[in-house]
Amino acid sequence: DIQMTQSPSSLTASVGDRVTITCRASQSISTFLNWYQQKPGNAPKLLIYAASSLQSGVPSRFSGSGSGTDFTLTISSLQPEDFATYYCQQSYSTPRTFGQGTKVEIK
Amino acid sequence: QVQLVQSGAEVKKPGASVKVSCKASGYTFTGHYIHWVRQAPGQGLEWMGLINPNTGDTKYAQKFQGRVTMPRDTSINTAYMELSRLTSDDTAVYYCARESLWPAFDIWGQGTMVTVSS
Repeated sequence: DIQMTQSPSSLTASVGDRVTITCRASQSISTFLNWYQQKPGNAPKLLIYAASSLQSGVPSRFSGSGSGTDFTLTISSLQPEDFATYYCQQSYSTPRTFGQGTKVEIK
Repeated sequence: QVQLVQSGAEVKKPGASVKVSCKASGYTFTGHYIHWVRQAPGQGLEWMGLINPNTGDTKYAQKFQGRVTMPRDTSINTAYMELSRLTSDDTAVYYCARESLWPAFDIWGQGTMVTVSS
């Protein structure tokens, strides 16, 4: 199975900050990497697919990059509605493993 | 609109089975895989398995092999997840999710809370 490791596990930031979350795969997954946002009590929401493609309707302040084993999710200017938990997921093979999540909290 | 609607919350006793449904609407049900993901309280996302609604072919996470089945009924555009021999460790929210043409989960059900308690 491919292991996905996110860092940090949590971070505290202010509105307007630039935030970066990293995700590392235990083997090369090309660009088969997706990012999800989850708010308490809600299902996850797809933000980025194929490492860098923005899902329809997602604000352009979200961006993704990377290939192979190292990936990044960036929020260019954090907004109040962005405080949530973010998960990476590989879709290179089954099982479709997720990272452990990064909780973004308000400073 | 495109959506997945899941069945309601369940409370089960240890050793019992649970069957969660996931009804698709707004798209061609047989055109997209359906995955099942669970989330224990305060924990992360755990992939359980998938079904190809067109063929009925399934693939399960090793952890759940022998204890989970994921059938579907194409006449009513509904996928199911049945988990047997429940323990307290199976207490979680269970989600179904549609896989897009690029393999990502673009549509999610609202989640079904399954509580296992004696």
